Amino acid sequence: GAGVSQSPRYKVAKRGQDVALRCDPISGHVSLFWYQQALGQGPEFLTYFQNEAQLDKSGLPSDRFFAERPEGSVSTLKIQRTQQEDSAVYLCASSPPSGGWGGSTDTQYFGPGTRLTVL
Amino acid sequence: AQSVTQLGSHVSVSEGALVLLRCNYSSSVPPYLFWYVQYPNQGLQLLLKYTTGATLVKGINGFEAEFKKSETSFHLTKPSAHMSDAAEYFCAVVGGADGLTFGKGTHLIIQP
Repeated sequence: GAGVSQSPRYKVAKRGQDVALRCDPISGHVSLFWYQQALGQGPEFLTYFQNEAQLDKSGLPSDRFFAERPEGSVSTLKIQRTQQEDSAVYLCASSPPSGGWGGSTDTQYFGPGTRLTVL
Repeated sequence: AQSVTQLGSHVSVSEGALVLLRCNYSSSVPPYLFWYVQYPNQGLQLLLKYTTGATLVKGINGFEAEFKKSETSFHLTKPSAHMSDAAEYFCAVVGGADGLTFGKGTHLIIQP
């Protein structure tokens, strides 16, 4: 069955370059999350969408980070003028609509991640 | 605000022995608690979750966890370790509509 897919799986960028990371959630999933996982650490929340609305972007580390989900399906995380500290695995997760609070109280299904290395 | 502490960045057990991975949380609202497993170069897979109701939660692959409010704990256990259980395990908490808050993870090593 189709799970959450992310592309590219690996990305090497020179410092100062812009990058775009793509997430294809499970079809019909309303909520979509982005996380950043540094080496040897747990994932850290970046931002959350419900359909096309970005309801929480409190975890984005700087204004160089921007995420969008214009049609409520595919999402793109863009990082401008990449820095070495941006090197990490970027995880995307989606969750279906439910009768709960919605958002992250529902089970999240994670993609394999994009490993970004900034040289 | 929520936080998660996982005691022990590495835990080593013998095959067939009890697995115990510790997780303590803090939350300003009644928590929802999760355990995820991550195999190398793969995404996170949900093992189990606690929302409300029964405090002993059973998950996949023989794992279970018990929510203890008085101890603010949600430790993960498995009676008999298998070589395929070797992986990174993450405890996570959520108290609202924002994202999951994860612990730093525990690397489980299974000795033959």
